[in-house]
Amino acid sequence: DAGITQSPRHKVTETGTPVTLRCHQTENHRYMYWYRQDPGHGLRLIHYSYGVKDTDKGEVSDGYSVSRSKTEDFLLTLESATSSQTSVYFCAISGDRYEQYFGPGTRLTVT
Amino acid sequence: RKEVEQDPGPFNVPEGATVAFNCTYSNSASQSFFWYRQDCRKEPKLLMSVYSSGNEDGRFTAQLNRASQYISLLIRDSKLSDSATYLCVVTGQGGKLIFGQGTELSVKP
Repeated sequence: DAGITQSPRHKVTETGTPVTLRCHQTENHRYMYWYRQDPGHGLRLIHYSYGVKDTDKGEVSDGYSVSRSKTEDFLLTLESATSSQTSVYFCAISGDRYEQYFGPGTRLTVT
Repeated sequence: RKEVEQDPGPFNVPEGATVAFNCTYSNSASQSFFWYRQDCRKEPKLLMSVYSSGNEDGRFTAQLNRASQYISLLIRDSKLSDSATYLCVVTGQGGKLIFGQGTELSVKP
């Protein structure tokens, strides 16, 4: 299995609070991605990174920001969490930009 | 129209059965194709890439028809452990992956 960890694995937070999710890899892969998965929508790309300090938006980026200050870490921040951001968040990594390997996921509940 | 469409199932089959999943995609410029497997409450895992000539990995066979923009996955001799959701994935604009919503398979004893 690819060396990807996510933290926290579960989180319950209140509407309006900031939340940061962390993805850590030990594979030295260039590309990192954040997805959310919701019933009826499948996996949707939030943001991705193609190198340190190089990031870009995905299809559902509103309300989210990211940062990548080191190759191994990719952070996803919800500046002010809303109930619509209750979801399962997956981080993925890729060395060649196509085949992606996923972390174990973070279950986030916004109350 | 969704970019990647799959029959959501569920497909309920007995052990030992052969089952086929189909997937269609809308972007004729897509270059790479994959099948992922996702167990309940777990992360998606890459099952196999799909090549133009078709490819096989043990009991699993993947086919690609570019002209029809159609991908298939055949599972022979189904095992209980094959029960999962199977995700069809294609590359979209800029090489980003586009995921289908998945087809659920349940293999019964």
